[in-house]
Parts: sequence; C-alpha cells; structure tokens
Amino acid sequence: ETGVTQSPTHLIKTRGQQVTLRCSSQSGHNTVSWYQQALGQGPQFIFQYYREEENGRGNFPPRFSGLQFPNYSSELNVNALELDDSALYLCASSRQPISGNTIYFGEGSWLTVV
Amino acid sequence: GESVGLHLPTLSVQEGDNSIINCAYSNSASDYFIWYKQESGKGPQFIIDIRSNMDKRQGQRVTVLLNKTVKHLSLQIAATQPGDSAVYFCAEIAYNQGGKLIFGQGTELSVKP
Repeated sequence: ETGVTQSPTHLIKTRGQQVTLRCSSQSGHNTVSWYQQALGQGPQFIFQYYREEENGRGNFPPRFSGLQFPNYSSELNVNALELDDSALYLCASSRQPISGNTIYFGEGSWLTVV
Repeated sequence: GESVGLHLPTLSVQEGDNSIINCAYSNSASDYFIWYKQESGKGPQFIIDIRSNMDKRQGQRVTVLLNKTVKHLSLQIAATQPGDSAVYFCAEIAYNQGGKLIFGQGTELSVKP
C-alpha cells in the first residue's frame, strides 16, 4: 500500500453538478498532485500543491480547483460538470525534492458524469 | 509540444518470455524518466527510473534503456509472469514545471500462461 487514500472511490454525478474529491497524503509528504485519467489514456496533470500553495497547473479550465490543508491532505473540486469530465482522478503525494521513488499514487476516484 | 509517447498500445507475450515495452519522448531537455505499472482498478506503481546521465539501469527482473540520441527509452521485463499483466506507462518529471509528471499513452501487457 502507498499510504495515499482517496475518497470516494466511485461516484456518479449529473452534468452541471459540482463534485469534491479528497486525498490524504502519505505521512511526511508535503506535496500533492492531481491527475485526470480518461479511459485508455495516460494520466494528465491537473495541478500541484506544495505547503498549501498551488505551484503548478496543467491545461485545465478554472472550474477545476483545489485546496491543500495544513495536514497536507487535499481536495479537488470540479464545478459545472461536463460529460468529458468522466474519468479516474488520481492523487499523488510526494516530498521535495521530487523523484520517481518518492511519488506515491492513490487508487483513484472514478467519476462518471451522466 | 510536450509529449511522451509509446510505440505500441498492446503487447502479448508467453509466460517466461522477455518483454520489451518502448517509449519515445519529444523534449530533448528531458532529464528524468520513470516507468509505471498500473493494474486494473489501481493507481500507477513505480517500477524503475533513470536519469539522462545514464544509458541503462537495472532492477529486479527489469531493465530500462535510454537512448538520448533518438529520444527513446525501453523497459525490459525478464521472464515475464502472469502478475506482470498490466498497463505500463513511461513518464517524465518536468522539473521546470514544478515537478509534474508527463505520461505517455500506455502499453497494455498481456501474459499468456
């Protein structure tokens, strides 16, 4: 196990609704990244938080937003859901400096938008 | 633009054979590459990494080769086992962009008993 937990594991939302996904990072990790993985695709970077500040963002619209809390857990919020938002949302926690073997992924939250 | 791509979407091998999964990248400044294994219903799992100052790195039953001249890397799995069946991704750490991971499309490895 990676020590990174995500919730909920599966959820179904209606187009136009809002969703909040949660991630608890591994102990000692101060950096959390979120990725969107569409079916049959590689994960796409959404954004990253380091010590409660966003320090990197991918090519996603502003309706994708996030937070990192003092305990380094994180939330991903998506407003005005669209059908194309249906995907697996992955959280990855790490510590600085980032290296391959210090990045740990959760098992993801499957979001279906109908 | 930035991309890390794979040559083949699927690979089927016999148990016990060696597997080779390939990956091409486009950014010649790329410095650090990682191979991930993703099993059904799970998040990506770190397999092995390699920095651009190396050509080869070996792990347990896995070897990664990096050819910077043609911007290509490969993952070799020796004596492939049914438990190796999964989707394999290569990824790059973009340190100049906060350390985000740039993933390729993935190769699905199927091991026949």
